[in-house]
Amino acid sequence: GQQLNQSPQSMFIQEGEDVSMNCTSSSIFNTWLWYKQDPGEGPVLLIALYKAGELTSNGRLTAQFGITRKDSFLNISASIPSDVGIYFCAGQSSNAGGTSYGKLTFGQGTILTVHP
Amino acid sequence: GAVVSQHPSRVICKSGTSVKIECRSLDFQATTMFWYRQFPKQSLMLMATSNEGSKATYEQGVEKDKFLINHASLTLSTLTVTSAHPEDSSFYICSAPQPGATGNTIYFGEGSWLTVV
Repeated sequence: GQQLNQSPQSMFIQEGEDVSMNCTSSSIFNTWLWYKQDPGEGPVLLIALYKAGELTSNGRLTAQFGITRKDSFLNISASIPSDVGIYFCAGQSSNAGGTSYGKLTFGQGTILTVHP
Repeated sequence: GAVVSQHPSRVICKSGTSVKIECRSLDFQATTMFWYRQFPKQSLMLMATSNEGSKATYEQGVEKDKFLINHASLTLSTLTVTSAHPEDSSFYICSAPQPGATGNTIYFGEGSWLTVV
C-alpha cells in the first residue's frame, strides 16, 4: 500500500532558527496536507496543497506540493517556543467523488523541540 | 473554532464493557468520516471509513464486530468499542472532509482518550 516517508524524525533547534521537513511517497497524491499535533489533542491543519508545484504560505509556514506529486516540504521560519509539537504530512489520493475522498495516508511525524 | 468535534475527550471504562465515542461535523455535512487510532509517539492509523447511509469500510486487520461504526446522520458518526480490553486503550481520532472551492480540506476532532482498566 501507499506509504509516506517523513524526515527528519525529530529536530532540536534554538528559538529563531528556521526548520525544514519533508515527505516523500512511492505513489502520487492529489492533495498534500500538513498538520501539527500537540500532546493529547487532535491534529490541527496548517497548510493544504491542491496542485502540483503549488507553493503556499501561512504566516511563518511555507509548504510546497512537489511537481511529481510524490513529495512535499514544510518550512517554518524564525521558530518560537510554541512551535513545539509533532508535525505530520498527509496525502490524499482521491478528489471529491472518488472512492477514497477524505482518506489520508500519514507520514511518521517530525517531533520538533525549540529551545528558548 | 473547531469544525469537527469529538466527545468524550477522555473516558475510563472497565474491561468487558462497551464505550461509545461521537464525532460531529459542525456547520457542514459529511457523508464520509474517518476513524483513526494513535498510540503514543506514533502516527495516525486509519481504522475505518464511516459512510452515511451504508456500512462502514474497515481497514485490513480491524475487527468490525469489535469497533462498531454508525453514521447516524450527515453530521454524526459514532464509534463503539465493544467488550473493551486494556489493549484497546488508545487515542481515537475522527476526521471529516469539508468541501471547498479549490479542494476538500480534512479536519480532525480533538481526539478521545480511552483507558480500559
